[in-house]
Amino acid sequence: EAGVVQSPRYKIIEKKQPVAFWCNPISGHNTLYWYLQNLGQGPELLIRYENEEAVDDSQLPKDRFSAERLKGVDSTLKIQPAELGDSAVYLCASSGEQNTEAFFGQGTRLTVV
Amino acid sequence: QKEVEQDPGPLSVPEGAIVSLNCTYSNSAFQYFMWYRQYSRKGPELLMYTYSSGNKEDGRFTAQVDKSSKYISLFIRDSQPSDSATYLCAMRPGAMTTDSWGKLQFGAGTQVVVTP
Repeated sequence: EAGVVQSPRYKIIEKKQPVAFWCNPISGHNTLYWYLQNLGQGPELLIRYENEEAVDDSQLPKDRFSAERLKGVDSTLKIQPAELGDSAVYLCASSGEQNTEAFFGQGTRLTVV
Repeated sequence: QKEVEQDPGPLSVPEGAIVSLNCTYSNSAFQYFMWYRQYSRKGPELLMYTYSSGNKEDGRFTAQVDKSSKYISLFIRDSQPSDSATYLCAMRPGAMTTDSWGKLQFGAGTQVVVTP
């Protein structure tokens, strides 16, 4: 069974440019998470989806970040415009019924220059 | 103060030694506890998952939860150089009636180095 798939693995962009990350969760997993991980820190939740619905987006900086999960399967996280401080690893995770274990993808390492 | 506290290390041990990791937390609503291993430039990999208090063993790994003390531990026996990684604890509330029930809260991670 395939795990959580993220793309791209690495992205370098100039500040003020837009960027998008894509995530395909484990088949059958209804819950999808986007996490932000800064160097030397644990992941911090940006947004959590239950199927198509964003049930927790309190930590998402909505002035520049947006996310969508059309059809309740894969998801896209967008930043527009990117700032230097957005340089980090963006992790996607998914979990099944009852939200027991969460499984992570390899992450997208974003560098804003 | 963070909800989950974890010593960042680094923790250096010789090969074959027992690695002892721990986290403390402040939210008494946490019911599910996880340990993840994260190699450099990789995503977190789930190692252990426990519900409420007690012990759980899986091969060389033992997870312990003491809810009365708000303290969880992970022990790695017969440590190997391949165990060198960052270990993250994570936890979340159990009650489905709260909005935060699905939200995983992570510690900062402890870097472990096992030397041959």
